[in-house]
Amino acid sequence: QVQLQESGPGLVKPSETLSLTCTVSGDSISSHYWSWIRQPPGKGLEWIGHIYYNGRTNYNPSLKSRVTMSVDTSKKWFSLKLNSVTAADTAVYYCSRRNFRGVSDVWGQGTMVTVSS
Amino acid sequence: NFVLTQPHSVSESPGRTVTISCTRSSGGVASSYVQWYQQRPGSAPTTVIYENEQRPSEVPDRFSGSIDISSNSASLTISGLKTEDEADYYCQSYDSNNQDVFGGGTKVTVL
Repeated sequence: QVQLQESGPGLVKPSETLSLTCTVSGDSISSHYWSWIRQPPGKGLEWIGHIYYNGRTNYNPSLKSRVTMSVDTSKKWFSLKLNSVTAADTAVYYCSRRNFRGVSDVWGQGTMVTVSS
Repeated sequence: NFVLTQPHSVSESPGRTVTISCTRSSGGVASSYVQWYQQRPGSAPTTVIYENEQRPSEVPDRFSGSIDISSNSASLTISGLKTEDEADYYCQSYDSNNQDVFGGGTKVTVL
């Protein structure tokens, strides 16, 4: 059974960098795309981007200037860095497994990140 | 990039049928697959329809999906509505650059 688990600080100060990791179990990371999606409180889902096992990335144009994703196939995790955060980046952050037909078929439970001083 | 527009909310009585639309602003709806996700409060989304009309084995056949080229939209239909179907539903597709797009979400209320 494939499982994804997000981890990282729940509180980040404004202007600093948000860093999250998603650990993959039950599946090879050397297949599929691996996505980050976020959801501000009371709002809808926003795609942040995804990464392929070879490191190829695809980012949401609205966040591209602040986003970096990486992957470690040996340790079976992938990560998200979002710099220069503001209160608008406060959200639940989800990682997901995405296939080549655009389906995010496995999701992590999500982790709440608050941007506040 | 394109926008996927959903109604903010729909409501219906138990046992009835609801249909949620997802209209694509540009580009053909058939040019990329549409997925539908269900999200209950406090939980991560789960897939109820993928590739326009396919249903995961664990999803009841009360859920069905379709696309309509004439209106450039996708639809999720829930028949025989149950209280457990009360949730937010999101459509999702992707553009020619393989960038994902989510609809704004629709809150389904079972009266």
